[in-house]
Amino acid sequence: GQNIDQPTEMTATEGAIVQINCTYQTSGFNGLFWYQQHAGEAPTFLSYNVLDGLEEKGRFSSFLSRSKGYSYLLLKELQMKDSASYLCAVRERTGNYGGSQGNLIFGKGTKLSVKP
Amino acid sequence: NAGVTQTPKFQVLKTGQSMTLQCAQDMNHEYMSWYRQDPGMGLRLIHYSVGAGITDQGEVPNGYNVSRSTTEDFPLRLLSAAPSQTSVYFCASSYLIRGRGYTFGSGTRLTVV
Repeated sequence: GQNIDQPTEMTATEGAIVQINCTYQTSGFNGLFWYQQHAGEAPTFLSYNVLDGLEEKGRFSSFLSRSKGYSYLLLKELQMKDSASYLCAVRERTGNYGGSQGNLIFGKGTKLSVKP
Repeated sequence: NAGVTQTPKFQVLKTGQSMTLQCAQDMNHEYMSWYRQDPGMGLRLIHYSVGAGITDQGEVPNGYNVSRSTTEDFPLRLLSAAPSQTSVYFCASSYLIRGRGYTFGSGTRLTVV
C-alpha cells in the first residue's frame, strides 16, 4: 500500500518563502513529483526527484530524502499567481511491464493562499 | 502539437446512463492513465495502460472500463452512471522509458443526477 501526507492548507505573504512538506510510505519507490494545480485547471509539472538532495528550478526547489520518506517543495519570492494547490506524487513501478515508468500516486494536495 | 486532448469538457448524465470519456495524445506516449479528482480526496488512479492492448486497474476501477486499441487513444467508459461517479476526470500520458513528464489533459467535469 501507499500513504502520502501533506498539509491541507497553508497561507503565506507575497514576497516571502514557503515550504510545503510531504511524507510518504510506499513500495517500489521510483521517483517523487510535485505538481501545481490552479482551481479548475489541470495539474502542471513543477519538479522531479529520484535521488536524495535538492533540485532547483528558478523560484522553485524540491528536496528528497528517500531514507526518511520525506520531500519538500520550497517556493521563494512568492507571487499572487502562486496561489494554487500543490500536489505531491510518488511514482511506483508498474507491475512487470518493465521500463522506468510507473503509476503516480498522489497526496491530497496542499492549498496555498498568497496574501498581499 | 495538441498534447493530451480530453472530450467532452463538461457532461451531465442521468443515473443509469452510459457514456465514454475520450482521451487522445499525439506524443507517441506508451503510458496512459485515468484519474478522478474529488474534493478532499486528491487524484485517484482508475485505470492505466502501458501500450496498445495492455490495460490494468488502479485504485478505484469499479464502475469503469477501458480499452487501448491504438497508442493514441485511451477511452474511459461508464457503463451505468451513478451519482458517486460525479467528479472531475483527468487523463495523463508519458513515455514508458524516459522517466519524467506526465502530461495531463484539461479534464472532464462529469455530473450524474
